[in-house]
Amino acid sequence: DGGITQSPKYLFRKEGQNVTLSCEQNLNHDAMYWYRQDPGQGLRLIYYSQIVNDFQKGDIAEGYSVSREKKESFPLTVTSAQKNPTAFYLCASSIDQRDYGYTFGSGTRLTVV
Amino acid sequence: QQPVQSPQAVILREGEDAVINCSSSKALYSVHWYRQKHGEAPVFLMILLKGGEQKGHEKISASFNEKKQQSSLYLTASQLSYSGTYFCGSSNFGNEKLTFGTGTRLTIIP
Repeated sequence: DGGITQSPKYLFRKEGQNVTLSCEQNLNHDAMYWYRQDPGQGLRLIYYSQIVNDFQKGDIAEGYSVSREKKESFPLTVTSAQKNPTAFYLCASSIDQRDYGYTFGSGTRLTVV
Repeated sequence: QQPVQSPQAVILREGEDAVINCSSSKALYSVHWYRQKHGEAPVFLMILLKGGEQKGHEKISASFNEKKQQSSLYLTASQLSYSGTYFCGSSNFGNEKLTFGTGTRLTIIP
């Protein structure tokens, strides 16, 4: 079955450590996205990529980094520069950015202690 | 800019109807609607494009009012399975990014 796989589901890290969240899709979608979800704030865009080896900052990119070396993969690194990293992180993909719906992964809940 | 959703929360009895609104301060190109159950990923419901028709399937439909820069989601004869948080995502002309609203929590009780 086609879909998006995010791993791990839960992640705990000490403050000051970088951590990488995995996102893999087998839908052959060109566009991929990372969103952060906090209670009462909906979904906020961190980074997005419309094609391999190219990505753009979203609304809250500070303290995060991404890479898109393969069409199927779009990992997100939460760096120590991110001031409040504890959140629910969602990866999504779509055929293109505006005219087609997004398919979301099941998310990674990151807790920094 | 983030679209504004209303209401923020609503509680209905099974079989009642609901309307959720999504308003933008800028001219809309497209509006997406998603439903998210607690702890799960959002699920795509439908997309409305400028100049497109009203979309829908089964008892869930949506409209797109270009003049009012607004979309509305209609849930008819609600079922228990409709419970969850509904998000709209909008894109505006000149900006391809999809921006999501803060969500509307819908609770259906027997």
